[in-house]
Amino acid sequence: EAQVTQNPRYLITVTGKKLTVTCSQNMNHEYMSWYRQDPGLGLRQIYYSMNVEVTDKGDVPEGYKVSRKEKRNFPLILESPSPNQTSLYFCASSLGDPAFQPQHFGDGTRLSIL
Amino acid sequence: AQSVAQPEDQVNVAEGNPLTVKCTYSVSGNPYLFWYVQYPNRGLQFLLKYITGDNLVKGSYGFEAEFNKSQTSFHLKKPSALVSDSALYFCAVRIRNTGFQKLVFGTGTRLLVSP
Repeated sequence: EAQVTQNPRYLITVTGKKLTVTCSQNMNHEYMSWYRQDPGLGLRQIYYSMNVEVTDKGDVPEGYKVSRKEKRNFPLILESPSPNQTSLYFCASSLGDPAFQPQHFGDGTRLSIL
Repeated sequence: AQSVAQPEDQVNVAEGNPLTVKCTYSVSGNPYLFWYVQYPNRGLQFLLKYITGDNLVKGSYGFEAEFNKSQTSFHLKKPSALVSDSALYFCAVRIRNTGFQKLVFGTGTRLLVSP
């Protein structure tokens, strides 16, 4: 089954404690993205990757890092989380540029930073 | 400024009635438009897209969308709503500028279908 898998689904943690949200896709997609969803703001792109070792900033990259060492994996790293990063996070993948191609989304990770 | 707007936070409709979820856009060049749906505790799912061609686009789960260039709109429609259609719906548009393009999402419209 084609899917994007995120872990963990839920996480409550404290300010400053480094965390990683993993994302894996089994569709051999070139593009992967991370979004955050906040009430009244819709989805905003954090980072995206066009292929292995190729990443770029989205609209709200501050406080986040990513890496793309393998095609299937695209982890999101919060080196020093702060309360304003409390949000619902989604990983997505697409065969090509998401401006043209449909994206497949994971089921989301709800992060609470205390 | 290039943008996408969903003017209604929530739409209420009775089961069996037609539904419309509105989306308007402002872009330079040809618009590329998408609709996605988000069911509770799930990620977004692709419904349909408009790139070029017929103004009426058919998608998943019986949904369709009408592209209207003169009104810069891309409203999502379904002839007969189901309770299971209750979800959060997002419109998205390609925004293009010199040297880059990206997909921008609207703020979402919650659809509630009552039995």
